[in-house]
Amino acid sequence: NAGVTQTPKFQVLKTGQSMTLQCAQDMNHEYMSWYRQDPGMGLRLIHYSVGAGITDQGEVPNGYNVSRSTTEDFPLRLLSAAPSQTSVYFCASSYLSGQRQGYGYTFGSGTRLTVV
Amino acid sequence: QQQVKQSPQSLIVQKGGISIINCAYENTAFDYFPWYQQFPGKGPALLIAIRPDVSEKKEGRFTISFNKSAKQFSLHIMDSQPGDSATYFCAAIEMDCSYKLIFGSGTRLLVRP
Repeated sequence: NAGVTQTPKFQVLKTGQSMTLQCAQDMNHEYMSWYRQDPGMGLRLIHYSVGAGITDQGEVPNGYNVSRSTTEDFPLRLLSAAPSQTSVYFCASSYLSGQRQGYGYTFGSGTRLTVV
Repeated sequence: QQQVKQSPQSLIVQKGGISIINCAYENTAFDYFPWYQQFPGKGPALLIAIRPDVSEKKEGRFTISFNKSAKQFSLHIMDSQPGDSATYFCAAIEMDCSYKLIFGSGTRLLVRP
């Protein structure tokens, strides 16, 4: 059972570089999302998707792009990295009916990104 | 503006004591309130959750108390153990309107032996 797989686990970028954080789930979850975790600020929603071909913005979408071409994958793209994007990024997925059924979100183990 | 406010930011409790973490919300459309537990280097994991039509839910040593009129809810950890040392997040969601889970800022709990 792979669950939610995030790659890479660690990454150092220079300001202005671009990169893609990968997220894949094998549970056939309709809903996928990206959060960033910063000290004292909890987890803040960046982008989310309720199914293939459907994405929407969360609380802090600026500087990030997403796409959802398949149910399994939900990559997060940093277009031009900035030091303010230094954070730990988590991908999470769930069934759309999962919250109502008490399943909750399944989180990946995170990507620690440092922008210098 | 944070939609879910959580306190305290950090908490130290002796083994066997009661840990209490509080959360408050403004959006009355929230209709599901989960708590997540996160260990260092790991992603958060669902711990326990409550709906607003219930005032209390207990699972083992973990209890959620919910006060709908005050728009507040809290997590109580009875007989706290060193293994409970982790970061705890409260969260809220509108299940019928949005699938977006909104988190509080987190509480770092340390249980001393």
